[in-house]
This record gives sequence, C-alpha cells and structure tokens, in this order.
Amino acid sequence: LAKTTQPISMDSYEGQEVNITCSHNNIATNDYITWYQQFPSQGPRFIIQGYKTKVTNEVASLFIPADRKSSTLSLPRVSLSDTAVYYCLVAGDDKIIFGKGTRLHILP
Amino acid sequence: DARVTQTPRHKVTEMGQEVTMRCQPILGHNTVFWYRQTMMQGLELLAYFRNRAPLDDSGMPKDRFSAEMPDATLATLKIQPSEPRDSAVYFCASGLVIGTGELFFGEGSRLTVL
Repeated sequence: LAKTTQPISMDSYEGQEVNITCSHNNIATNDYITWYQQFPSQGPRFIIQGYKTKVTNEVASLFIPADRKSSTLSLPRVSLSDTAVYYCLVAGDDKIIFGKGTRLHILP
Repeated sequence: DARVTQTPRHKVTEMGQEVTMRCQPILGHNTVFWYRQTMMQGLELLAYFRNRAPLDDSGMPKDRFSAEMPDATLATLKIQPSEPRDSAVYFCASGLVIGTGELFFGEGSRLTVL
C-alpha cells in the first residue's frame, strides 16, 4: 500500500484559495488518488479522485503531475465552513487506509 | 437519498459488557469497511468485506472483536467483552468500485466504555 504524507495542519483566510499537497512516492500503476473531507462528529466524505493530470468538480480541483508521486487538492475561495480535516489516500484494488490527514482551519 | 445507516448512534456501557454495532450499507454496494476513530490513533481500519466475505480483519483485536455480514443488507461489529480502551467512534463505509477509493460513510457509532 502506498503511504501518503501531508501537512498536519494549515490555516487560511476566508476567500483565499487553499492548496494541500500530498506526497505518495510509492504509488502503484493501478492506484487512484482520492481525497476525503471530515467535519467534527461526522464520517469522512469523498470529495474528489483522480488518476493523472487535473480533475475538477463542484467542490475542488485535484492536480496530479506526470510522475504521480504527489497530488494537490485545491479549494477555491474557502469559507469558514471549509474548516475540516482533509485526507489524502491512495487506493488500488485492496483495503483503503487513511493517514492522519490535514487539519484545515479557516479564519475570518 | 441513499446512505449508510449505523445503529446505535451512541452507546454507553460498562466494562465487560457485550456491544453490537450494526450497519446497513447502501443498496447494491458490495464492499463494506469498518473503521475506528480516536483522537490518538485517527482512523484505523478494522475489517472489510467484499460480497459478504471477510477479506481482511487484521486490524481487529481477535480475542474480543468479531465482524460479520449475515446478509447483503447488514454488517455487524461485536465487542465481547468490552474494555475502556475500546471507547471510540466506529464508522461503517460501503462502496462499489473500491479501486477508485470511493467510499460512503455512515454517521458513526460513538461508544463509551466505563
């Protein structure tokens, strides 16, 4: 299983773009990169996934370089409600392991 | 709106008692995961099933924990006997195409063992 490394915590201000980078040097050919968001007292929520290049949905964008050894989750114009823990994980046809995540704190 | 349903949402029990947590996965999903979350350890994978068959339960303390899927609509996690260190939030998640990492989580069962 590919191990992921991401910052423990980040602070940002409302209205800013937030980028959270995750490294996964040992990613396998068949692995997908997936990001989850977790609010207090709730289960994690899938927000975006990708294999390579760029993926965008209504919540976020995910940038993956050609070597796929890292990925960056981009949250445009964050608000206070984006304060949460964000998990990066790499998933193949196997069990899904969560790391410690990045605790994002949005300030007014 | 399809969702994973977990019961009970909260449980307080005394050490030594049996605890059973239940999960109803989203209809049609063929893979079910059980996770435990604490402040110290984060999200730990306890066990997972595919098509009702257990694929991996290496994350569970074997002497006291057991996980089963009696049918496609029910997954259970049992602790017997419970201990204070089992206090945590237990999450169930289900999915269909696990290779992409997309899981749908329930709201969790918060267990407190006194």
